[in-house]
This record gives sequence, C-alpha cells and structure tokens, in this order.
Amino acid sequence: ILNVEQSPQSLHVQEGDSTNFTCSFPSSNFYALHWYRWETAKSPEALFVMTLNGDEKKKGRISATLNTKEGYSYLYIKGSQPEDSATYLCAFSSGNTPLVFGKGTRLSVIA
Amino acid sequence: IAGITQAPTSQILAAGRRMTLRCTQDMRHNAMYWYRQDLGLGLRLIHYSNTAGTTGKGEVPDGYSVSRANTDDFPLTLASAVPSQTSVYFCASSDTLQALYGYTFGSGTRLTVV
Repeated sequence: ILNVEQSPQSLHVQEGDSTNFTCSFPSSNFYALHWYRWETAKSPEALFVMTLNGDEKKKGRISATLNTKEGYSYLYIKGSQPEDSATYLCAFSSGNTPLVFGKGTRLSVIA
Repeated sequence: IAGITQAPTSQILAAGRRMTLRCTQDMRHNAMYWYRQDLGLGLRLIHYSNTAGTTGKGEVPDGYSVSRANTDDFPLTLASAVPSQTSVYFCASSDTLQALYGYTFGSGTRLTVV
C-alpha cells in the first residue's frame, strides 16, 4: 500500500499569517499529485493537479509546488483568512490506479 | 447543476441488515470510486470502476460489493452490515482513471451500524 504523508496534522494560525504544509509521496511510478480543500460538512474540492517536476500552480492566495524526484509537494497560503479554515488533502496518482490520499492537514485560521 | 448525487444522506442500520448506498453522476465520467472516511484514517478506497462494466477492489473491499451497469450509477452494497462499517461514505468520479482534472465528490452518506 502506497504511503502518502502530510504534515503537520493540524495547524492554527492568526488571520493574515502565511502558512505552508507538506505532502510526501513515493518518487517512483509518479503520474500526478492532487491537492483538495475540504471544508467541514462539505465535500472535498480539487485545488490543483500537478504532473511535472518543478511545477508551480496558483489560485488566488493559494499556491503549490512539486518535486517529483524527492517526492514532496508544498501548499502555501498567503495572508490566511478565516474562510481558509479547512482540511487540505493531497493525493498521489500512479496514472493507472485510483488516488491514494494523505490524512490531511487541518487548518484553523483565527480572526 | 452537474455533479454527483448520493443517497441517503444519513442512515442508522441494524447489524446484519443489507444496505445499498446510491451514487449517480451526470458528468459522463468514465471512472467512479467509493471511499470511506474514518477519524484518523483519512479517505480509504473501497471499490472503484474504470468504466461501465468493470470494477476493481481498493484498500478495504471486504464486506462491500459494487456494480457498474451503466456510466451514471455506481451503487455500493453492504450485504450484512457490521458495526465496523460505521463511517462516512463518499462517492467520487473523474473523467478517466488518470483524473487530470481531479475528482468530483458527492456530499457523502453518514452510516451508523448498531
């Protein structure tokens, strides 16, 4: 079973702070790395799908980087807002099997 | 609105009973998935379907069965429910197994087996 690790498990930041989380995944058989945002009482929603080593993606104040050679991805949130409070999931794809999800990083932004 | 519909939203079920969780998508996605979410364990794959007529086992398939008679529907059946199957169940879909546009998730079914 593939191991996808996320750290930290949870994080509390003040409004306006910038923050980042880590996702570690196998560097072999890599096809894509996904990031999802999961708000309480809702469903996970796709943020980014990244396929190329060195890739960077950005959506508003949220961005992500990818290092496939060493098997990690960072998710950054600039100037955190209370509405950013959610669990952020990463998921590994080998391309020919379903996604394997990490356990998530739960972010709480305190106003 | 295009998306995935899961039913029921929640259910309390007596142990030993049979239960089918329904999942329907209207996006003409080829691939569909069932995950369960448990505290501390994240999302774990139960079964999946690459395309209509085919299914595959995930990480935790025991006690569950699926069918994929057509593109839109992917029901999950618990033949004889046990308390360890108490969980939140999410159905998801993607255009293909490669999922370069990501997964679309349903709103989940909260199942309690007593």
